[in-house]
Amino acid sequence: GAVVSQHPSRVICKSGTSVKIECRSLDFQATTMFWYRQFPKQSLMLMATSNEGSKATYEQGVEKDKFLINHASLTLSTLTVTSAHPEDSSFYICSANSLNTEAFFGQGTRLTVV
Amino acid sequence: DQQVKQNSPSLSVQEGRISILNCDYTNSMFDYFLWYKKYPAEGPTFLISISSIKDKNEDGRFTVFLNKSAKHLSLHIVPSQPGDSAVYFCAARAGTNAGKSTFGDGTTLTVKP
Repeated sequence: GAVVSQHPSRVICKSGTSVKIECRSLDFQATTMFWYRQFPKQSLMLMATSNEGSKATYEQGVEKDKFLINHASLTLSTLTVTSAHPEDSSFYICSANSLNTEAFFGQGTRLTVV
Repeated sequence: DQQVKQNSPSLSVQEGRISILNCDYTNSMFDYFLWYKKYPAEGPTFLISISSIKDKNEDGRFTVFLNKSAKHLSLHIVPSQPGDSAVYFCAARAGTNAGKSTFGDGTTLTVKP
């Protein structure tokens, strides 16, 4: 089946620094990619929808200047957590799909801000 | 207001028995429902889905039932196996965009040998 690769799987960074997470669709062109965040023992929370060649659409309550999303090609979307703080520590997951296919999820990225 | 609810945070069953995971939704616009399985520190993997025009979909040991009037769906796993132990997320969407789903909080299934 289709594969979505997310990198890195785990990152520890210092407070105030920025972290970039990549999401790649390996064997299909993803017209849309989605970024989710999961807090411990909670559901996946949709943060934003990333469309190739256009600005991302952010869900209510998600700071677009804090979580920068770039969807430069049909196979790559990046999420940059800017000026990270400990409260940004979480599990971030991307998903991707092409038209009329199911969404495929990446492996997730565990971000720890110290 | 949570549109997709999984009221049981956890479920424990004996190997070989049936596991039934439940999900309720409130948005009448939802027309496609999915179940995902997730292991710790991994992304969810798609398990099974059902369109609102059906009331049952079966795939091997997994069957999803949809009761539109009650806005309720359930996932049956039979027979349950220890390898089925994971967090199961119910998700729903309106329209054809597969990725933009609304997820429930998940149910942790433990299958005991």
